[in-house]
Amino acid sequence: QVQLQQWGAGLLKSSETLSLTCAVYSGSFTGYYWTWIRQPPGKGLEWIGDINHSGSTRYNPSLKSRLTISVDTSKNQFSLMLSSVTAADTAVYYCARAGYSTDWGFDPWGQGTPVTVSS
Amino acid sequence: QSVLTQPPSASGTPGQRVSISCSGSSSNIGSNTVNWYQQLPGTAPKLLIYSNNQRPSGVPDRFSGSKSGTSASLAISGLQSDDEADYYCAAWADSLNGPVFGGGTKLTVL
Repeated sequence: QVQLQQWGAGLLKSSETLSLTCAVYSGSFTGYYWTWIRQPPGKGLEWIGDINHSGSTRYNPSLKSRLTISVDTSKNQFSLMLSSVTAADTAVYYCARAGYSTDWGFDPWGQGTPVTVSS
Repeated sequence: QSVLTQPPSASGTPGQRVSISCSGSSSNIGSNTVNWYQQLPGTAPKLLIYSNNQRPSGVPDRFSGSKSGTSASLAISGLQSDDEADYYCAAWADSLNGPVFGGGTKLTVL
């Protein structure tokens, strides 16, 4: 059963770059969109962007200018970098898989990484 | 402000049937399928319903989904205390070229 495990720095200062990585265990890396989603404290979910095994990306336009999502197929990992962070980027960040078998619904999810941006 | 509109809260007693609505537009729900997620307190969301009304393996048939026009609905029958969670709807948004979510509905089992 595929599992996603994510990690990265949880405390940042304004203007720094957020960097997270998600590793995929016990499953194929091909044929899926590997996704980042975030959830500000007490709020709903926001799609950040995704990448496939070929490196083709789709970004939320509201974050596109600061966002880079990359993939390392040799390690079955994908990563998120968000530059020039502010307090508005404080959230729990999740990685997830989207596939044809679930009509591109997100399943499974990583455990989540809380990220706090302080000024 | 979320693109898809959900009631902020819902409640029911054990054994009861509850329904959660999700309203969108022609450019999201109206032209694409709807997924539902369950987020238990302190945990990551979990896919509950995909493609409007399909359940992933392991999801009880007490959970069902439907869609009509630009709205969708999640129904939970035989309500249990373990169902107390936040529920989110989601659909692809053509203008975003990505998915949009509802603001979430907090379900309380009285």
